[in-house]
Amino acid sequence: AQTVTQSQPEMSVQEAETVTLSCTYDTSESDYYLFWYKQPPSRQMILVIRQEAYKQQNATENRFSVNFQKAAKSFSLKISDSQLGDAAMYFCAYTGTYKYIFGTGTRLKVLA
Amino acid sequence: DGGITQSPKYLFRKEGQNVTLSCEQNLNHDAMYWYRQDPGQGLRLIYYSQIVNDFQKGDIAEGYSVSREKKESFPLTVTSAQKNPTAFYLCASSPYRMNTEAFFGQGTRLTVV
Repeated sequence: AQTVTQSQPEMSVQEAETVTLSCTYDTSESDYYLFWYKQPPSRQMILVIRQEAYKQQNATENRFSVNFQKAAKSFSLKISDSQLGDAAMYFCAYTGTYKYIFGTGTRLKVLA
Repeated sequence: DGGITQSPKYLFRKEGQNVTLSCEQNLNHDAMYWYRQDPGQGLRLIYYSQIVNDFQKGDIAEGYSVSREKKESFPLTVTSAQKNPTAFYLCASSPYRMNTEAFFGQGTRLTVV
């Protein structure tokens, strides 16, 4: 069975600094997709970034980028120039054939 | 605008009563999902459906039931058999091929007293 593990329940970052959130996953599937979602206090799930497993190039969306290490089954999220609005729960997610599997989340605090 | 609508946003029920949470989407997505969110446990899959009139149990299906009579709708019933129903419930949908992200509703907070 596929699993997603986020080992950092909470992280803090100073405004304008960079922070990296960790995610590891386990799967025997060869074709899959990985995502980072943001859940602000409103609790609406917002897609931050997407990575296709067959692509070697790491995905980037403005201040958000990933470090995808397929052999190590690692998928970390780097947030550059952190802003107060980045404060939220961040969930790593995996999908292969039938369903989406989520990690337990990392709560990110941004300090002014 | 296309999207997923969950209703109501807040729901209160007495212990022992069944309650149905609504989820409607107009994205023309084939697959729909129900997740439960508790503090420290992330999103756990309750049920999912890939096509109309078909659905599968997720990891925590006990005490829940669903139906998928229409492509647009995937209601979740929390039955009296669910031992700890107070939680935040999220509905999501995706295209069948799953080569994209899941889209989420705004959630329903269920409180059983």
